[in-house]
Amino acid sequence: QQPVQSPQAVILREGEDAVINCSSSKALYSVHWYRQKHGEAPVFLMILLKGGEQKGHEKISASFNEKKQQSSLYLTASQLSYSGTYFCGTDLLMTDKLIFGTGTRLQVFP
Amino acid sequence: DTEVTQTPKHLVMGMTNKKSLKCEQHMGHRAMYWYKQKAKKPPELMFVYSYEKLSINESVPSRFSPECPNSSLLNLHLHALQPEDSALYLCASSQDGRVPYNEQFFGPGTRLTVL
Repeated sequence: QQPVQSPQAVILREGEDAVINCSSSKALYSVHWYRQKHGEAPVFLMILLKGGEQKGHEKISASFNEKKQQSSLYLTASQLSYSGTYFCGTDLLMTDKLIFGTGTRLQVFP
Repeated sequence: DTEVTQTPKHLVMGMTNKKSLKCEQHMGHRAMYWYKQKAKKPPELMFVYSYEKLSINESVPSRFSPECPNSSLLNLHLHALQPEDSALYLCASSQDGRVPYNEQFFGPGTRLTVL
């Protein structure tokens, strides 16, 4: 039931782009994205609802394809501050439980 | 105030001890959560309180006992824990318990070590 993220880890230079994928074996109603820096709390990035919408602001955006039960997070022109572990979180309709994905560790170097 | 606070930051306890973790928020949120996070793993949901009532218990062992004294406070009482319970315990809150429509605000966590 836990969503699977790919890749497991990404290493980037500042200014490079990255895509993180999140796949579920079950139908989804919404997808959340969070970033957690080492030793810190997870921080909310965005929620995408069923409907295939794409959301985001500035250089971080995401898409949700409910037919494929997948979401992707797009990081454009990465900055050092983007380093951390990214988790997608999924919920099944009517459960009101957020189940976090396996995580993707992103490191951005100068 | 958009902060969730947790105390203590660190806790070391023996298997026979009784201790409590505390979580507080002043954002007027009506849903509060406990998660357990092992190193290099995602947070795992333990309990959900919605409007001060326990709404979800993810089959957590009875040695963990949650309590929600009021809408701003959430406690996790610990008793007779095992070494494998050592982890980071995260508290979170959201406007209400409807996951699709609400972001969750996380506290910094309590790092628990059971000897």
